[in-house]
Parts: sequence; structure tokens; C-alpha cells
Amino acid sequence: GAVVSQHPSWVICKSGTSVKIECRSLDFQATTMFWYRQFPKQSLMLMATSNEGSKATYEQGVEKDKFLINHASLTLSTLTVTSAHPEDSSFYICSAREADRDYNEQFFGPGTRLTVL
Amino acid sequence: GQNIDQPTEMTATEGAIVQINCTYQTSGFNGLFWYQQHAGEAPTFLSYNVLDGLEEKGRFSSFLSRSKGYSYLLLKELQMKDSASYLCAVTASNYQLIWGAGTKLIIKP
Repeated sequence: GAVVSQHPSWVICKSGTSVKIECRSLDFQATTMFWYRQFPKQSLMLMATSNEGSKATYEQGVEKDKFLINHASLTLSTLTVTSAHPEDSSFYICSAREADRDYNEQFFGPGTRLTVL
Repeated sequence: GQNIDQPTEMTATEGAIVQINCTYQTSGFNGLFWYQQHAGEAPTFLSYNVLDGLEEKGRFSSFLSRSKGYSYLLLKELQMKDSASYLCAVTASNYQLIWGAGTKLIIKP
């Protein structure tokens, strides 16, 4: 149980285009989903926390107009990188916290590797 | 502020034992996680500690001392596949996970 999927696994796009990444909890309801970014040889960096049905909470330094997050249901959150630039190339990982779970474990998706040309 | 410290890199020999330490200073504490992350992959859950003491799970054990703000991950009978980064993460008072930078573990034959 507690499986999280991400789509696409990898994407290559041209500079200036927008890219949407989906994160789904397959066998549980996720009241909270998290979006992380990880550059090579660095640790995870939390970008934003999204709660179903409400606006996402962005970490300091993350542009909310550039990284649009939608958490429309208890099993789906999307991250849209708008007007992507080469510096946005990174490994984007989502995680989900199960509703009514005893503790704060986050289940991670497999990640999406974004390359902006 | 929130701070988690762990060594950047460690090297160990196949079949041996290695201990990866993690110290933390956070606003509140609601549990500590250890995750394993292979290069190019997402983290996978290893262990969770919320009370003081040792939690053993097969070849992996995790220890917590809340009074000292200290945890360690102990890996026994090391295998080559254990080469990975090991991430320490603490749940702070707002239930947000605060992540350490990770410890890259290199296993040599």
C-alpha cells in the first residue's frame, strides 16, 4: 500500500514553455502533498506544501506564479512550471501524507526529471 | 532556526558495520525519519523514531535521544547495494519535515 505515482518520469522542453507534472496517491487519500526539488548532489529542497481544496503554501524563495500547484482532489496534485528556463532543470519529487495516519510519514513518488533546453 | 547536521560522506567495507549520525535543532519535535536515496531515484522510507531508544529492523537499526537532539542509523552486514545517500529528517512542531543534507555512503569490496 501507500503508493505514489508521478507523471511524466522525465520531460525535455524548450525554454519558455510550460510543463505540468502530476502526482497521484494510488491507494490512499492524501490530505497533504509536498513538492520537492533536488539538484545534482544536493539534498531535497521543499518547494511547497499543498492541502486538498486550499491554496498551496510556498517556501521562501519559491515563486508561486512560476510554480503553480493545484491539489483538486485527495489523490491528485499537479505542479506546473511556467515559462521554464534552463535553470529550472532539476529532479522534481512529490510526496503525500496519508489522511488519518498516526505519524507524519511521507510517501514519495518516483520523481520527474525536467530538462529545459 | 531549524538545523540538521549529518556527515557529508562516509566510506565502509562490504560486510562491515557503519553508523551514520544525525544531530538536530528544531522548533518542536514530532519524530525523526531516516530515508535511503539511490542516485537518480526518490527517497524510500527506512525507519521512524519518536521515543528514545533503539528500533531494529533487519540489518538496519535507528537510535534516538531526544534530550541530546541526536540520532544514528546503524547498518550491519553491509552490501554493495547499500551504497546510497541516507537522509535524516525531523518533524518539527508544525508537522513539516526538516531535511538534512544527506550522507553519501560508499561501500568498497
